Amino acid sequence: GEDVEQSLFLSVREGDSSVINCTYTDSSSTYLYWYKQEPGAGLQLLTYIFSNMDMKQDQRLTVLLNKKDKHLSLRIADTQTGDSAIYFCAESSQDSNYQLIWGAGTKLIIKP
Amino acid sequence: EAQVTQNPRYLITVTGKKLTVTCSQNMNHEYMSWYRQDPGLGLRQIYYSMNVEVTDKGDVPEGYKVSRKEKRNFPLILESPSPNQTSLYFCASSLSQGAHEQYFGPGTRLTVT
Repeated sequence: GEDVEQSLFLSVREGDSSVINCTYTDSSSTYLYWYKQEPGAGLQLLTYIFSNMDMKQDQRLTVLLNKKDKHLSLRIADTQTGDSAIYFCAESSQDSNYQLIWGAGTKLIIKP
Repeated sequence: EAQVTQNPRYLITVTGKKLTVTCSQNMNHEYMSWYRQDPGLGLRQIYYSMNVEVTDKGDVPEGYKVSRKEKRNFPLILESPSPNQTSLYFCASSLSQGAHEQYFGPGTRLTVT
């Protein structure tokens, strides 16, 4: 079946940029998502990108999509302690009736 | 306030003792689903429902049952829990199956001894 892969951990210094990467296998992916899970809470949608876009920016967040390499990244500028969370990448396609395929999540650790 | 609620938030039980985790949403969403989250495995879908009385298996349905008698409620039933069902469970809902945003409940941490 289709797969989404992420590194399990990322450690950055407060104030630096964080870049969380994700690769996927579904060549018919239509939408790609980033969800954030704060400690003890459920997941919340951060942003999503349509597969015909290369980039999407929303305040401190920048999403880059390389469709040829099936690579998605989430850049968080000026990382703050409140950004400590697990970040999940997910993709969906019309072929799979828009069922979400999830990555394992990347835990972002902020060093002071 | 628009939300998905789950109860209980924490549960410790013994092997074989039937249990139900409730899930309710107040957004009139058609689509609801259950996930389990395990370290290093991310979210795996257990069951989903596209509308009242319509349910279907996800990726890991074995050992679970669901029902959707009303639009707002989607309980998860473990008829005979086993230790390998120890996990963090999330209920989620969205307007429809293809809707961009899923709304997640706060999670239920289940331990089966």
